[in-house]
Amino acid sequence: SQTIHQWPATLVQPVGSPLSLECTVEGTSNPNLYWYRQAAGRGLQLLFYSVGIGQISSEVPQNLSASRPQDRQFILSSKKLLLSDSGFYLCAWMSGYYGYTFGSGTRLTVV
Amino acid sequence: QKEVEQNSGPLSVPEGAIASLNCTYSDRGSQSFFWYRQYSGKSPELIMSIYSNGDKEDGRFTAQLNKASQYVSLLIRDSQPSDSATYLCAVLYGNKLVFGAGTILRVKS
Repeated sequence: SQTIHQWPATLVQPVGSPLSLECTVEGTSNPNLYWYRQAAGRGLQLLFYSVGIGQISSEVPQNLSASRPQDRQFILSSKKLLLSDSGFYLCAWMSGYYGYTFGSGTRLTVV
Repeated sequence: QKEVEQNSGPLSVPEGAIASLNCTYSDRGSQSFFWYRQYSGKSPELIMSIYSNGDKEDGRFTAQLNKASQYVSLLIRDSQPSDSATYLCAVLYGNKLVFGAGTILRVKS
């Protein structure tokens, strides 16, 4: 069966520090992968999506970047975090016709 | 701009009642629609999908789709306190899901 792993679960980082969040999928090949952010009390905002290795589409201009170095690995990064980068970051893969399956999420607090 | 609109709530219903959650979307060409449930501090989980006009039932949940009116709804029968959560409506545009902001549901025992 397909599973999606996301880590860490919680992260507290100072302003100006770098960020790296990792997401991996098991049990499927060439998945469409997505990074979403959910600010406190808000909806899900699509940040990046990828349809294959090295293929990244950015939805919102911001202080973040994404990479897909392997078929089932999707990484979200920042060189210098801002306070506004705080939020709940979710990785997801598209289960074909059946919508998305989400990872367990990373709660990032920038202090 | 692809938009999905939901009433933020909170919607409060007594235990055992029917909860009705509504969603409208902007793109008439959309074909796939989803309802997710999100408990506080957790990631969303898929509870229903619907692709054709009409009703789709799964246990206590019924999804309703009206493409002419660009309207999707979710009915929860015999609501339980454990149904208290935020319900997210999502519409598939190409290979991207666009989410509404979610409706908070509170079921009072």
